Amino acid sequence: EPEVTQTPSHQVTQMGQEVILRCVPISNHLYFYWYRQILGQKVEFLVSFYNNEISEKSEIFDDQFSVERPDGSNFTLKIRSTKLEDSAMYFCASIKSRVTDTQYFGPGTRLTVL
Amino acid sequence: AQSVTQLGSHVSVSEGALVLLRCNYSSSVPPYLFWYVQYPNQGLQLLLKYTSAATLVKGINGFEAEFKKSETSFHLTKPSAHMSDAAEYFCAVSPTNNAGNMLTFGGGTRLMVKP
Repeated sequence: EPEVTQTPSHQVTQMGQEVILRCVPISNHLYFYWYRQILGQKVEFLVSFYNNEISEKSEIFDDQFSVERPDGSNFTLKIRSTKLEDSAMYFCASIKSRVTDTQYFGPGTRLTVL
Repeated sequence: AQSVTQLGSHVSVSEGALVLLRCNYSSSVPPYLFWYVQYPNQGLQLLLKYTSAATLVKGINGFEAEFKKSETSFHLTKPSAHMSDAAEYFCAVSPTNNAGNMLTFGGGTRLMVKP
């Protein structure tokens, strides 16, 4: 069964450093998402992406964040200058079509900012 | 705007007992509703979803949920708990008219199953 994959599984970085989290969505999916889950808190929506542009973003997704689909398979989340409060599990998700479809989630990348 | 409330951050049941995990939502438009399960150190796996068809939805692993519009609820049940059901369960809502199809999650309920 096809699945969403994410790399790395765990990333440790120093405050102020840039990080790029990578996701490979399911191959025939067209809509892509990033969510995050701070330890002990809710899963929160960050951004959705379709047709090479952002469809919607939350207020968490400020200028420090950006997303990109650099090629036909990868979908990346970049944090330009990490803060301690960016430490969280970041989940990528994808769906084939928006109407009634299910978001398939990757296993997540745990980001630790020191 | 939509929101999801899961009553009970921790639920403990005995193996073989009924599982009931509660979810209430608010949404200004008809919603799609989902239950996801997260096993330790894993991602979110869809258990079941409601997308305006039958109000009683059956999912994987013997779980089911009933959409009750009058109560704005979408509670998850399983007649007989198994040890392997121990995990965190998340209820989520997505408004049907949302261009980005973003999910709003509840706070999660950790299910513990006692032998």
